[in-house]
Amino acid sequence: EAQVTQNPRYLITVTGKKLTVTCSQNMNHEYMSWYRQDPGLGLRQIYYSMNVEVTDKGDVPEGYKVSRKEKRNFPLILESPSPNQTSLYFCASSSRLGLADYNEQFFGPGTRLTVL
Amino acid sequence: AQSVTQLDSHVSVSEGTPVLLRCNYSSSYSPSLFWYVQHPNKGLQLLLKYTSAATLVKGINGFEAEFKKSETSFHLTKPSAHMSDAAEYFCVVRSNTGNQFYFGTGTSLTVIP
Repeated sequence: EAQVTQNPRYLITVTGKKLTVTCSQNMNHEYMSWYRQDPGLGLRQIYYSMNVEVTDKGDVPEGYKVSRKEKRNFPLILESPSPNQTSLYFCASSSRLGLADYNEQFFGPGTRLTVL
Repeated sequence: AQSVTQLDSHVSVSEGTPVLLRCNYSSSYSPSLFWYVQHPNKGLQLLLKYTSAATLVKGINGFEAEFKKSETSFHLTKPSAHMSDAAEYFCVVRSNTGNQFYFGTGTSLTVIP
């Protein structure tokens, strides 16, 4: 089954304790992305990756890191989480549409993170 | 810069009546536009997309949207609401580089039995 998986689905942690949220897709998609969803703000893009070893900042990258060492995986790293990073996080992937275009995104089930 | 504005944060309709969810976009080029739906405690699912082909786009579950360049709008409609349509709906525009996606703030649709 074609899918995007995220782990963990729920996480409660404390300020400053490094954490990683994993994301994996089995569709051989070039493009992967992380979003955070907050009430009244919709989804905002944190980081995206156009292919292996190619990543770039989205609209809200502060406090986050990513890496893309393999095509299927795109982990989100919070080196020193703070309470304002409490949010619902989504990973997404997409196939290439053209030279610089990407198709619609497929989303993972989400990770609900609480930072105390 | 690209952006989308969803004009209503909440819409309430009776079952069997038409649905209209409004979205205006801002873009200096011919954009790619999407509508996604998010059911409670679920991920996002693509409803439909516009990529400069036909201006009237048909999606899943009876939804459709019309791209109107003169009005910079991409409103989502459905002739007859069903209880299962109750969800959050997001209008999305892709950047002109194709690398970024900008979401609206969402419209919560309530369907009254």
